[in-house]
Amino acid sequence: DTAVSQTPKYLVTQMGNDKSIKCEQNLGHDTMYWYKQDSKKFLKIMFSYNNKELIINETVPNRFSPKSPDKAHLNLHINSLELGDSAVYFCASSALWNTEAFFGQGTRLTVV
Amino acid sequence: GQQLNQSPQSMFIQEGEDVSMNCTSSSIFDTWLWYKQDPGEGPVLLIALYKAGELTSNGRLTAQFGITRKDSFLNISASIPSDVGIYFCAGFNKFYFGSGTKLNVKP
Repeated sequence: DTAVSQTPKYLVTQMGNDKSIKCEQNLGHDTMYWYKQDSKKFLKIMFSYNNKELIINETVPNRFSPKSPDKAHLNLHINSLELGDSAVYFCASSALWNTEAFFGQGTRLTVV
Repeated sequence: GQQLNQSPQSMFIQEGEDVSMNCTSSSIFDTWLWYKQDPGEGPVLLIALYKAGELTSNGRLTAQFGITRKDSFLNISASIPSDVGIYFCAGFNKFYFGSGTKLNVKP
């Protein structure tokens, strides 16, 4: 049983398209996150939700919009994709803010 | 965003050697976490530290939460080939990650 699952695992799309990445956790956690990992492997936090409420929004372009329909899901929608959006996107969850977090397997997004 | 300074950037060691890496920050953190990432996978939690001065072990891994709450280190003893990967520290006030330490172990 996968604890934090993301779909799709790979996503190749053209510049200008709109795409979504889905994340679900079955751990009963209250807090979920989205991270972007660039080609140099640097992990940068993008968003965090606690109980469906946005608590962190780290200077991410407003083309990126997270949506949390319930505590177990945090989806990431990206409008007007750009070449620089190519990266691996990771979803994570933790029981509470400030406690250990568990990561999904990542979504490799390639914009061509 | 916040900067966590993680060092070294990479290490090449012989199997059986001990390894040490650390993270420092100019800010105080409430929690320090250490993760390992294998190629094509998400980061996997190794050790979580919640109190200043706390020293925690997980098998051959030992990590400490610095007394000043601005630093943490991770030690790996008697390294083996499967220790190869990228190790990240992460600190909570906003859950920032260090830049990673790439570990290479020569059999």
